[in-house]
Amino acid sequence: GESVGLHLPTLSVQEGDNSIINCAYSNSASDYFIWYKQESGKGPQFIIDIRSNMDKRQGQRVTVLLNKTVKHLSLQIAATQPGDSAVYFCAENYYGNNRLAFGKGNQVVVIP
Amino acid sequence: DTAVSQTPKYLVTQMGNDKSIKCEQNLGHDTMYWYKQDSKKFLKIMFSYNNKELIINETVPNRFSPKSPDKAHLNLHINSLELGDSAVYFCASSQKTAGGTQYFGPGTRLTVL
Repeated sequence: GESVGLHLPTLSVQEGDNSIINCAYSNSASDYFIWYKQESGKGPQFIIDIRSNMDKRQGQRVTVLLNKTVKHLSLQIAATQPGDSAVYFCAENYYGNNRLAFGKGNQVVVIP
Repeated sequence: DTAVSQTPKYLVTQMGNDKSIKCEQNLGHDTMYWYKQDSKKFLKIMFSYNNKELIINETVPNRFSPKSPDKAHLNLHINSLELGDSAVYFCASSQKTAGGTQYFGPGTRLTVL
């Protein structure tokens, strides 16, 4: 289960509203970005990815926006549902580097 | 049906003991990873193997030794366990060594007493 007093940045959102989670990445050479969702007691789960030659990509109820000028990534979740309650991570990678660098997680709490 | 599996799910042990965590993927991926997630949920890579060859070895104490008997398996052996080793350890795999999506296992929660 979750640790008491985890103190992650937390977004509380009403069920049915839209959620926006932000991420600042560090490496201007990064050309591949992924959003992961981690539910309590589970491993990170792939949600959506985007390459640096795009600035927007849409999935089912999710949209990722990439602003390379300010090294900013965001994840938008439409019509947030209770099952969206989780910790969300952004990760960056650049081709030739074997590592995915993860950002700090953002906790999303959906209020029914 | 499971893509990336790990055993055990929970591991509670005394300081000084030696323990292993096993990981298997049935995705046909060439690359596998071990990550450590601390109490603040920060995910940090420890090791990566590509086709049984070590390609990433972060600054990890040499008490940690990964072993890849084949490209579908990557095990993690830890000697002389310390309190600070308590964390959740995740195995992951990807098709490529770079620029590819990594798929994670369910995690192993290690508690050292």
